[in-house]
Amino acid sequence: DTEVTQTPKHLVMGMTNKKSLKCEQHMGHRAMYWYKQKAKKPPELMFVYSYEKLSINESVPSRFSPECPNSSLLNLHLHALQPEDSALYLCASSHATNEKLFFGSGTQLSVL
Amino acid sequence: AQRVTQPEKLLSVFKGAPVELKCNYSYSGSPELFWYVQYSRQRLQLLLRHISRESIKGFTADLNKGETSFHLKKPFAQEEDSAMYYCALDPGGTSYGKLTFGQGTILTVHP
Repeated sequence: DTEVTQTPKHLVMGMTNKKSLKCEQHMGHRAMYWYKQKAKKPPELMFVYSYEKLSINESVPSRFSPECPNSSLLNLHLHALQPEDSALYLCASSHATNEKLFFGSGTQLSVL
Repeated sequence: AQRVTQPEKLLSVFKGAPVELKCNYSYSGSPELFWYVQYSRQRLQLLLRHISRESIKGFTADLNKGETSFHLKKPFAQEEDSAMYYCALDPGGTSYGKLTFGQGTILTVHP
């Protein structure tokens, strides 16, 4: 399996909802990432996990809460989001943080 | 702070013509530079990285530290090269993984 799988592909949520985005890879990668991509903009780094520990948090608001339960899984827990948080959320993984990234196809999130 | 600039949002060429996608960066250390590509309805994927010094799908890119540039070149463009191209910078060292993308260039190769 040489893919990064993200679920769900689409998510619509209200500002009071709690939801989670999931990301999975079975390539033995030890680094995993969350990126946010607004329409017609480049991906922006949110979080980096290395060996299941959070190594980079790009000053992301606390309404986004990442979790790495094991080396294959990465979650992004969402709570009390704002409409401006609507975007494509991309997960990526790599063998190590200095290796090339493999991207998932993303979760398109709409916050109403 | 690291910054990546791709001056062209759109670039159009005809099949068989040379193509150059420009990328300039600013960073005080010794970063690693990458080109990522996204074809229509496909996920973002690595095209090449400067430390590999290889040619992928006929594309090459040379890191010019003096001009802080990492331009992507191909001598003869093909229609299947039409895609969104992102230049990206990783600062390396203790900040490995902190990848910053440029704004992207949409390349269209006409038949």
